[in-house]
Amino acid sequence: AQTVTQSQPEMSVQEAETVTLSCTYDTSESDYYLFWYKQPPSRQMILVIRQEAYKQQNATENRFSVNFQKAAKSFSLKISDSQLGDAAMYFCAYRANSGNTPLVFGKGTRLSVIA
Amino acid sequence: DARVTQTPRHKVTEMGQEVTMRCQPILGHNTVFWYRQTMMQGLELLAYFRNRAPLDDSGMPKDRFSAEMPDATLATLKIQPSEPRDSAVYFCASGFSSRGAQPQHFGDGTRLSIL
Repeated sequence: AQTVTQSQPEMSVQEAETVTLSCTYDTSESDYYLFWYKQPPSRQMILVIRQEAYKQQNATENRFSVNFQKAAKSFSLKISDSQLGDAAMYFCAYRANSGNTPLVFGKGTRLSVIA
Repeated sequence: DARVTQTPRHKVTEMGQEVTMRCQPILGHNTVFWYRQTMMQGLELLAYFRNRAPLDDSGMPKDRFSAEMPDATLATLKIQPSEPRDSAVYFCASGFSSRGAQPQHFGDGTRLSIL
């Protein structure tokens, strides 16, 4: 079974600084997708960024980027120029590439942004 | 923007009572997921449907939980009888079944408290 591990239960960052959230996963599949979701106190689940395993190029979305290391099964999220609105729980998630199958989530990292 | 709609947003009831949670997926989405979020277990899959047919409900306690899709615009999750350990946030998500990095769109969740 696939597993996703987020080893940092909590992180903090100064406003305008950069922070990296870690995620590792375990799978025997070669084709899959990885996602980062943000959950603010409102408890919405908001998609931040996605990565296809077959793509070597790391995904970027404005201030958010990933460092995808397929051989190491690592998928970290970098947030640049951190803003107060970035404070939230961040979940790393894995999905097999066989149609829209269920997500396997990590336990999450709570990010605090210090003004 | 199209959204997944979940009702109720909050539910407080006594142990032993029946609980019904409803989900309206995004129009056109043919895959619907139910996830449960707790502090201890994090986000875990309960069940999911494709084209209204159940594909996997192995995450649900079968003796008390049931999930159905009476039609393409409504998914329900029922608990009968409810127990305090069922207290959690229940999320519905929907998406397309095609291959590719199709994201799952989440509702705002139902926060369930069983006294």
